[in-house]
Amino acid sequence: AQSVTQLDSQVPVFEEAPVELRCNYSSSVSVYLFWYVQYPNQGLQLLLKYLSGSTLVKGINGFEAEFNKSQTSFHLRKPSVHISDTAEYFCAVRANSNYQLIWGAGTKLIIKP
Amino acid sequence: NAGVTQTPKFQVLKTGQSMTLQCAQDMNHEYMSWYRQDPGMGLRLIHYSVGAGITDQGEVPNGYNVSRSTTEDFPLRLLSAAPSQTSVYFCASSYSRGLAGFEQFFGPGTRLTVL
Repeated sequence: AQSVTQLDSQVPVFEEAPVELRCNYSSSVSVYLFWYVQYPNQGLQLLLKYLSGSTLVKGINGFEAEFNKSQTSFHLRKPSVHISDTAEYFCAVRANSNYQLIWGAGTKLIIKP
Repeated sequence: NAGVTQTPKFQVLKTGQSMTLQCAQDMNHEYMSWYRQDPGMGLRLIHYSVGAGITDQGEVPNGYNVSRSTTEDFPLRLLSAAPSQTSVYFCASSYSRGLAGFEQFFGPGTRLTVL
């Protein structure tokens, strides 16, 4: 069975500073990895995904993530955050053998002016 | 292209009442699912469907029923509402084949309060 751990429930960071949101997963099979963003009082939208190929994945709004198979991690990074990045970020894993996404508990990104 | 739509946006129920949360998508997606979102718990899968006439249970199915009579619609029924079902409910859909099937599209959510 797969599981996803997002190590930080909240990450406060100053505007224009870099940020890293951590995600670790466990799985005995090959997986596909996703980051979704949820802005206040909205649904979730896809930020980026790793399916195969290059381990560095670029997404929308300047975010990127790196798949590290040996560390079983898929950390999300942005070199310079803006107030508009205030949101909750969810990491999710899907095994290549079924449809279901397994979700982390989420990390709230708090941007300090 | 409306994507995934959900109604209602907000609902307040009394314990024991029943209701149906509506979900529709216009992208011809085979896969549809219902999640509930509770603080600090991420999203938990309630039920899902891989096509019309086919449904299955997710992680937290108790107290909920679903049916899938058409590709477009996937309603979620609460049989006898309980305060523990107070949550935000999201419907999502995706293609089920090939790499394109791996992105789920979400509706805007239904915020349900059970008193």
